[in-house]
Amino acid sequence: SQQGEEDPQALSIQEGENATMNCSYKTSINNLQWYRQNSGRGLVHLILIRSNEREKHSGRLRVTLDTSKKSSSLLITASRAADTASYFCATDPYQGGKLIFGQGTELSVKP
Amino acid sequence: DAGVIQSPRHEVTEMGQEVTLRCKPISGHDYLFWYRQTMMRGLELLIYFNNNVPIDDSGMPEDRFSAKMPNASFSTLKIQPSEPRDSAVYFCASSSIAQGATYNEQFFGPGTRLTVL
Repeated sequence: SQQGEEDPQALSIQEGENATMNCSYKTSINNLQWYRQNSGRGLVHLILIRSNEREKHSGRLRVTLDTSKKSSSLLITASRAADTASYFCATDPYQGGKLIFGQGTELSVKP
Repeated sequence: DAGVIQSPRHEVTEMGQEVTLRCKPISGHDYLFWYRQTMMRGLELLIYFNNNVPIDDSGMPEDRFSAKMPNASFSTLKIQPSEPRDSAVYFCASSSIAQGATYNEQFFGPGTRLTVL
């Protein structure tokens, strides 16, 4: 089964609203990463949070990590139509190069 | 750097034909990954290499699939013979684990969209 599972599978909001996506995982991790995929493109790394960190910010992105609950959330504030994409969490339980990707959340931001 | 380069970007072939997908990782990266993405199954890791050596090929669906990395700047994923159910987008990604670091961001190529008729 997937190590990372995103919730919700799909999210539709209006421009200017905040978007929150959640990720749950099963095993201990070294870090958790979030990626974005625009339609027809490869995945692009957004942000990484280490297992000893609880919160991290990057521009309009805010990531939280709760290792006791084995969960993470990605918040995109003041969303824009250009944020429309699929968002994936990826965990690193193997202390190496391999990442385990979730199924993704499809975000649609309507202008 | 040009990023991860994949070719071809699109491939349409007939069932039973051999298909070869190519990947050039980012220079200096020591990990290379092959993924397959479909609507039904999502993003699946097929195989990955470390320093040109295959580490985990447990995601390779069957013997029709094979992957090689003859040197640090080139890898191929071959499907022989191809079947309609192999239709998908195939991504190559690379990463580098800096000595003493714990992060392993992956850089993805643009993908190859394969259609097997």
